[in-house]
Amino acid sequence: QLQLVESGGGVVQPGRSLRLSCAASGFGFSSSGMHWVRQAPGKGLEWVAVIWSDGSNKYYGDSVKGRFTISRDNAKDILYLQMNSLRIEDTAVYYCARGVVVNPWPWIDPWGQGTLVTVSS
Amino acid sequence: DIQMTQSPSSVSASVGDRVTITCRASQGISNWLAWFQQKPGKAPKLLIFAASSLQSGVPSRFSGSGSGTDFTLTISSLQPEDFATYYCQQADSFPFTFGPGTKVDIK
Repeated sequence: QLQLVESGGGVVQPGRSLRLSCAASGFGFSSSGMHWVRQAPGKGLEWVAVIWSDGSNKYYGDSVKGRFTISRDNAKDILYLQMNSLRIEDTAVYYCARGVVVNPWPWIDPWGQGTLVTVSS
Repeated sequence: DIQMTQSPSSVSASVGDRVTITCRASQGISNWLAWFQQKPGKAPKLLIFAASSLQSGVPSRFSGSGSGTDFTLTISSLQPEDFATYYCQQADSFPFTFGPGTKVDIK
C-alpha cells in the first residue's frame, strides 16, 4: 500500500544544516508532486515546500525561502529537504506528503508519520 | 500571502451533535480549499478537497461547503472517533496556508 517514511530528524545546533529524506512506495512517485509540511510542538500546521513531479518547479513558504531546498530522486523514489542556517523556530515535526491532481498539486494526501527536528544549543 | 482564519478555535460537543466549523480566506480562493483532521500524535488526514468533495474512505457525516472567501465543515452527527483538531488549507496560490485549527472535544 501507499507509504511515506521520513527520516533524518534529530537535534542540531542553530546555524547548522540537516537533510531530511522521505522514502515513498506503493504509488507512482515519479508522477506525483510532493510537499513538506511542518508542525511546531503544540502548534498548527505550516506548509513548507512543494516540488513538481519532474522537479521542474519548486515553491517555498516565506519563513524557509532561501534557507531550505526541496529536491527529489525519481530513480530512488526519495524526496529530500535540505535545511540550512537552522533557527530555533524551525523546531518541528516535518511531514512529507503526496500532492494530488496535477499542477499545482493542491490536495495533500496522504502524509508520512513525520520526523522531529529540534534546533537547540 | 493568503491568510486563513477559523472559528471557533475550540468547541465542546456531545456524541450525536451537529458541529459546524467556519474557515475564512483573506481573499477569494474560488473552491481551492481542503479540510484536514488531526488526532494527537498522528499525521493529518485529508477529509474534504475542492471545498465540498469528500475524500475516498471518509464517512458521509462529514461535508464541506462554500466558495470565494467563506467555507464550512459540518459533521452531521458527531462520533467518538471525531474528537480531534480540524484545519482548513487554501490551495489557490503559493505559499499554501493553513488555518489555525479548531479543536473538537468532549462536552
